[in-house]
Amino acid sequence: KQEVTQIPAALSVPEGENLVLNCSFTDSAIYNLQWFRQDPGKGLTSLLLIQSSQREQTSGRLNASLDKSSGRSTLYIAASQPGDSATYLCAPCISNFGNEKLTFGTGTRLTIIP
Amino acid sequence: GAGVSQSPSNKVTEKGKDVELRCDPISGHTALYWYRQSLGQGLEFLIYFQGNSAPDKSGLPSDRFSAERTGGSVSTLTIQRTQQEDSAVYLCASSPQARGTQYFGPGTRLTVL
Repeated sequence: KQEVTQIPAALSVPEGENLVLNCSFTDSAIYNLQWFRQDPGKGLTSLLLIQSSQREQTSGRLNASLDKSSGRSTLYIAASQPGDSATYLCAPCISNFGNEKLTFGTGTRLTIIP
Repeated sequence: GAGVSQSPSNKVTEKGKDVELRCDPISGHTALYWYRQSLGQGLEFLIYFQGNSAPDKSGLPSDRFSAERTGGSVSTLTIQRTQQEDSAVYLCASSPQARGTQYFGPGTRLTVL
């Protein structure tokens, strides 16, 4: 059974700083891994999808890395802004025999202090 | 374009009643997913559809839960004889293809009294 851990559970940083969110997972036989953000009372917004064959994926100020063999992924946010405040979730995807499943971590609650 | 929509946005029901939750995926998306988010459990996968087929229903919490998808589009999640532990936000997502980026709807908040 896939287990996903995100560290830290909560993080507060001043505006403008760079930061790293960590995700680890126990089953390395993943197809891809997605990072999402969730704003309070709202659904999830996809940020990045990184394939198992990739090492990195970038979108604007966001950069996700993946080390599949060690079961780790990081999300790097550059030059943080107050609008980045949200809960960030990572979700590795297991896919086999026509089935597909994302397993979510418990998230990192990020607060950017103006 | 239109995103994933879910209805109702909020549902309050009495214990023992049946409820139906609806998901309208993004047009043309072949893959559809249901999740549940509750305070004590985080985000939990329920079921995946590719077209109208659900290869694996083992993520459904009990036999009171069922889901169907018709015409490769709209999906309905039905909970029979609701219990208080069913209270949660039920989220639906769709993707243009299997193993692709998932786009989430706003969710249905279910409260069982």
